[in-house]
Amino acid sequence: EPEVTQTPSHQVTQMGQEVILRCVPISNHLYFYWYRQILGQKVEFLVSFYNNEISEKSEIFDDQFSVERPDGSNFTLKIRSTKLEDSAMYFCASSRDRGRTGANVLTFGAGSRLTVL
Amino acid sequence: DAKTTQPPSMDCAEGRAANLPCNHSTISGNEYVYWYRQIHSQGPQYIIHGLKNNETNEMASLIITEDRKSSTLILPHATLRDTAVYYCISYSGGSNYKLTFGKGTLLTVNP
Repeated sequence: EPEVTQTPSHQVTQMGQEVILRCVPISNHLYFYWYRQILGQKVEFLVSFYNNEISEKSEIFDDQFSVERPDGSNFTLKIRSTKLEDSAMYFCASSRDRGRTGANVLTFGAGSRLTVL
Repeated sequence: DAKTTQPPSMDCAEGRAANLPCNHSTISGNEYVYWYRQIHSQGPQYIIHGLKNNETNEMASLIITEDRKSSTLILPHATLRDTAVYYCISYSGGSNYKLTFGKGTLLTVNP
């Protein structure tokens, strides 16, 4: 079964450092997403991406965050200057359909755990 | 998208059916009901979705009331591996690309 692959599985960084989390979405999917989950809290939407641009972003996704699809397969989330409160599990997801018909089935990766010290 | 309400936790005996309720009394006509689950901090996993009719797939069945104000996810023969947080989400699609997760129901399947 096709999978969404995320790397690294765990990253530890110092506050103020830049972090790049990488994702390989399912190959025929067109819509890409990042979500995050702080320990013990809800899964929160960060950003959606389609046709090489951001479709929607949440209030969490401020100027410190950026996304990119540098080639035909990778989808990255960059945090420019990490804060302690960025410590969370970050999930990448992809979907084939934009949800126009309601069939927005997201496939999630296993997540990248970010720990900011 | 409509707000959904789920019980915070439920228990089920292994091998029995697990019936997880969800209220979505403000759901609009074009909103689908989706169910996802999350097993111990893994990525959420899609289970099933529906609009009006009951749906069944290899994982579960979804029963939607006629007025669409509530639904029930049924795991017909729960196993220990079904222990997870189950999320009921209503979603209209269109220009809204995001799924909004609530707190879900923690289903514990007991041996």
